[in-house]
Amino acid sequence: GQNIDQPTEMTATEGAIVQINCTYQTSGFNGLFWYQQHAGEAPTFLSYNVLDGLEEKGRFSSFLSRSKGYSYLLLKELQMKDSASYLCAVSIYGQNFVFGPGTRLSVLP
Amino acid sequence: NAGVMQNPRHLVRRRGQEARLRCSPMKGHSHVYWYRQLPEEGLKFMVYLQKENIIDESGMPKERFSAEFPKEGPSILRIQQVVRGDSAAYFCASSERAPTGTDTQYFGPGTRLTVL
Repeated sequence: GQNIDQPTEMTATEGAIVQINCTYQTSGFNGLFWYQQHAGEAPTFLSYNVLDGLEEKGRFSSFLSRSKGYSYLLLKELQMKDSASYLCAVSIYGQNFVFGPGTRLSVLP
Repeated sequence: NAGVMQNPRHLVRRRGQEARLRCSPMKGHSHVYWYRQLPEEGLKFMVYLQKENIIDESGMPKERFSAEFPKEGPSILRIQQVVRGDSAAYFCASSERAPTGTDTQYFGPGTRLTVL
């Protein structure tokens, strides 16, 4: 079976840094994606990792360790608009995306 | 370049009626995916289609649900004889290449189905 775990909820303060973890156990692996989803809206693509290491994109960075089945999304200089759910998804070769349950991030003033 | 389009955005049906959800992929994308999201839950894969072909329907309930992606026109997710448990947000995504590649899926705004 496929299993992806993320913390259910996190809270952080405006201007701070937050790290959202994702662990996965899947039958295949063709890359790991992070999406942001505001309440009532569509998920929007944030980042993609297929090789081990850190990918940086402005205030957002994503890290992958394939041997550990582990990824994290790092958000810096948090803004109120970053309050959203963050979805970790694994692309499985020959199949599809398997999504984690999502982490709901609340940014407080 | 328009994004993925879905309609209707909101759909209300009574138990036993049929629901038809439409999805037009991004221009140049020939791969379409349907997902269901229950309140406070993650996205669950339902079906993956290419033009005129169902590639993977492993997440689709065996009864009452069907999907198509004709040569011309949008992809359709059809739910027959809806029940209250079908109430959810249904998202469509599209990609340029098959999921065997490293291609991102882009999501539409979703259709929120409410069954009374």
